[in-house]
Amino acid sequence: NAGVTQTPKFQVLKTGQSMTLQCAQDMNHNSMYWYRQDPGMGLRLIYYSASEGTTDKGEVPNGYNVSRLNKREFSLRLESAAPSQTSVYFCASSDGASTRREDEKLFFGSGTQLSVL
Amino acid sequence: AQSVTQLDSQVPVFEEAPVELRCNYSSSVSVYLFWYVQYPNQGLQLLLKYLSGSTLVKGINGFEAEFNKSQTSFHLRKPSVHISDTAEYFCAVSPRGYQKVTFGIGTKLQVIP
Repeated sequence: NAGVTQTPKFQVLKTGQSMTLQCAQDMNHNSMYWYRQDPGMGLRLIYYSASEGTTDKGEVPNGYNVSRLNKREFSLRLESAAPSQTSVYFCASSDGASTRREDEKLFFGSGTQLSVL
Repeated sequence: AQSVTQLDSQVPVFEEAPVELRCNYSSSVSVYLFWYVQYPNQGLQLLLKYLSGSTLVKGINGFEAEFNKSQTSFHLRKPSVHISDTAEYFCAVSPRGYQKVTFGIGTKLQVIP
């Protein structure tokens, strides 16, 4: 059972380049999220998708776009990368529509380490 | 809006000693509280969570946390730590009925042999 799969694991970009981070989950979850993790700042929510067909901004959306391609996949795009976007990016998913709140939790991918030079 | 404060960025502790990692939160609505653990080069895993009911919550790997509403705290404890507990621990909060989770900055637990 793969869970949440992110690609690539590592990426180096030059300032101004664009790229898309891919995320897929095989747990039939409704909700998906993109976080970035920076030293001393914890995880900050970039965008999330509560259900297929919807996306909403999180805490730090500037410079990013997302696409919820289908229920399984949620991609994050950097149109013009900047050094401030150097970070570790995590995709996560959750059931989101569970009738048992006790079952709610986030499942995380293993992360993408992105460096923008 | 809600926020989470983890008071210690790093906590060194000797093996088999007890440990407490502190977490305080603020929110204008009732919340769910979580502790997640991140081992090196991995994503986060849920350690335990408080949704309602008993204020003492037990999680995996012998960890437990106590919800204190009056002090708005959710401190994580373990009576005897092992080398394998070396990791970064994140406290998190979400409003009830939503999935938007806000994380603290993390506490690095270093277990010393």
